[in-house]
Amino acid sequence: GENVEQHPSTLSVQEGDSAVIKCTYSDSASNYFPWYKQELGKRPQLIIDIRSNVGEKKDQRIAVTLNKTAKHFSLHITETQPEDSAVYFCAASGDNDMRFGAGTRLTVKP
Amino acid sequence: KAGVTQTPRYLIKTRGQQVTLSCSPISGHRSVSWYQQTPGQGLQFLFEYFSETQRNKGNFPGRFSGRQFSNSRSEMNVSTLELGDSALYLCASSTSGLGVVETQYFGPGTRLLVL
Repeated sequence: GENVEQHPSTLSVQEGDSAVIKCTYSDSASNYFPWYKQELGKRPQLIIDIRSNVGEKKDQRIAVTLNKTAKHFSLHITETQPEDSAVYFCAASGDNDMRFGAGTRLTVKP
Repeated sequence: KAGVTQTPRYLIKTRGQQVTLSCSPISGHRSVSWYQQTPGQGLQFLFEYFSETQRNKGNFPGRFSGRQFSNSRSEMNVSTLELGDSALYLCASSTSGLGVVETQYFGPGTRLLVL
């Protein structure tokens, strides 16, 4: 089945800097890659997603890139703000299952 | 528009019992997905229902089951509860389901404690 690895597990950046979180997956049949943000004590939010027929997608300060050959995808957050502080989860989904990465705790220092 | 609702919000059960959790999606949403979240295992996908049919299923034992009704409300059932089933159970709804590029909304979750 699918296995998703996420790095780093924790990330601390200064406000205004960029943050990058990387995930790798094992199942070449995976074709949908969502990213979720979960603030402390709150429910997850889907913040951006990408399908396997697209290499990059951008939404304001966040972007996701996908390299199907290398089986990895990344979340990029530019001009980080304190409210970006949260745990971010990547996921990979194929025909049946969806597997999540272990999460990255991002802290943005003012 | 009302958000995704889950009932009950908190539940305490003992080993061996069974439990049924309910999720009401946003009006007009036909897809409901269920997830388990624990400190040790993180987020795990349980299953997805769309128009009363299970479309996707994660790697969980048969003790975990679900269904969806014609009004899109969904229930999940866990039989013969184990201590390891203690978790936050989240459901999420969307209009078209997993794999479609659109927004998905989560409910507040049901926190289950198995003693």
